[in-house]
Amino acid sequence: GDSVTQTEGQVALSEEDFLTIHCNYSASGYPALFWYVQYPGEGPQFLFRASRDKEKGSSRGFEATYDKGTTSFHLRKASVQESDSAVYYCALGENSGTYQRFGTGTKLQVVP
Amino acid sequence: NAGVIQTPRHKVTGKGQEATLWCEPISGHSAVFWYRQTIVQGLEFLTYFRNQAPIDDSGMPKERFSAQMPNQSHSTLKIQSTQPQDSAVYLCASSLRLGDAETLYFGSGTRLTVL
Repeated sequence: GDSVTQTEGQVALSEEDFLTIHCNYSASGYPALFWYVQYPGEGPQFLFRASRDKEKGSSRGFEATYDKGTTSFHLRKASVQESDSAVYYCALGENSGTYQRFGTGTKLQVVP
Repeated sequence: NAGVIQTPRHKVTGKGQEATLWCEPISGHSAVFWYRQTIVQGLEFLTYFRNQAPIDDSGMPKERFSAQMPNQSHSTLKIQSTQPQDSAVYLCASSLRLGDAETLYFGSGTRLTVL
C-alpha cells in the first residue's frame, strides 16, 4: 500500500542553522504530498502541499519540491528559529479521494 | 471560523468503561476523519465520513470502536470497554471535499487516558 517514510525521528539544531527533514513516499498513483506541523497540545496544522512533479510548495520560509524520480518531498529551511521547534509530518493523499497517510513525524528542537 | 472543535480535551476512564469523543467539523466541510496518535504508532487512520456517510473504517478496531455522524455538524467516536492500550490522543479532522487530496484541518484532539 501507499506509505510515507521519514528517516529522522529527531533533529536538534541551533538558531540560523539549515534544516533538512527527509520524506520519501511509495505510491502506485500520482499522489499529492503535504507537510504538516504540530505544536504541543495542538493538532497538526497544514504547512503546504504539492501535487505534481517539480512543483515547489512553501510557507513561512519552509519549502519542499515534489520529485517523482526520487519519490521524495524533503522539507528545507535556510535559517531555523527557536519558534520552529515542533513535530513535522509528511503526508500523502491519493487523488482518488481517500484518507491521507502520514509519516512517523520528525521532532525538531532548535536551541538559541 | 472556529476551526474543528473536539470535546472533551481530556478524558480519564477506568478499564472497562465507555468513552465517547465528540467532534464538530468546520462548517461547510463535507469530509470528516478520525485519527489516533501515540508515540509508538504515530498518526493512525481510524475512519472517515463523506457527507455524513461512512466511507472507510478499515483502521478501526472492530470489536469495541464505533463512529457515527448523525448530522453535518458533529461526529462521535465511541469506545466500549476501554483498555489501557486505547490511551492515546484522538484527532478529528475535516476537509472541504473528498475526491481530490484535500488539506486536512485538525482539531486539538482529545487525550484519552485509561487507567
